[in-house]
Amino acid sequence: EAQVTQNPRYLITVTGKKLTVTCSQNMNHEYMSWYRQDPGLGLRQIYYSMNVEVTDKGDVPEGYKVSRKEKRNFPLILESPSPNQTSLYFCASTPLDGQETQYFGPGTRLLVL
Amino acid sequence: AQSVTQLDSHVSVSEGTPVLLRCNYSSSYSPSLFWYVQHPNKGLQLLLKYTSAATLVKGINGFEAEFKKSETSFHLTKPSAHMSDAAEYFCVVSFNFNKFYFGSGTKLNVKP
Repeated sequence: EAQVTQNPRYLITVTGKKLTVTCSQNMNHEYMSWYRQDPGLGLRQIYYSMNVEVTDKGDVPEGYKVSRKEKRNFPLILESPSPNQTSLYFCASTPLDGQETQYFGPGTRLLVL
Repeated sequence: AQSVTQLDSHVSVSEGTPVLLRCNYSSSYSPSLFWYVQHPNKGLQLLLKYTSAATLVKGINGFEAEFKKSETSFHLTKPSAHMSDAAEYFCVVSFNFNKFYFGSGTKLNVKP
């Protein structure tokens, strides 16, 4: 089944404790992206990647890191989480076929205490 | 600067009546435009998209949207609302397949 998976789905952590949220897709898509969703703000793009070893900042990259060592994986890293990073996070993948349709993962709900 | 504005944060309709969710964008470039739907506690699903082909776009579940360049709008419509349409809807803009910009969302409530 074609899908985007994220792990974990729910995470409670404390300020300053490094964490990684994994994202994997099995559709051989070139483009992958991370978003955070906050009430009243819609989804805001954190980072995106056009292909392996190619990443770029979205609108809200502060406090986040990403890497793209393999085509299928695009982990999101919070080196020192803070309470303002409490949010719902979505990973998405998109084929570079001109259609620009994004396929979203199920979301990861993060609470930073 | 590019931006997307969804003019209504909440819309409430009665079942069987028309739905109109409004979206305006600002851009210096020719955009690709999308509508996504998010049901409670679910991920996002593509409803429809405009990528410089026909200006009237038909999507899933009876939804359609019309791209009006002169008005920089991409409003979402459905002739007859169903209870299952209750969800949050996002208008999304992309430029040259670079970044994606989401509107703040419109929550659709459908009354019996």
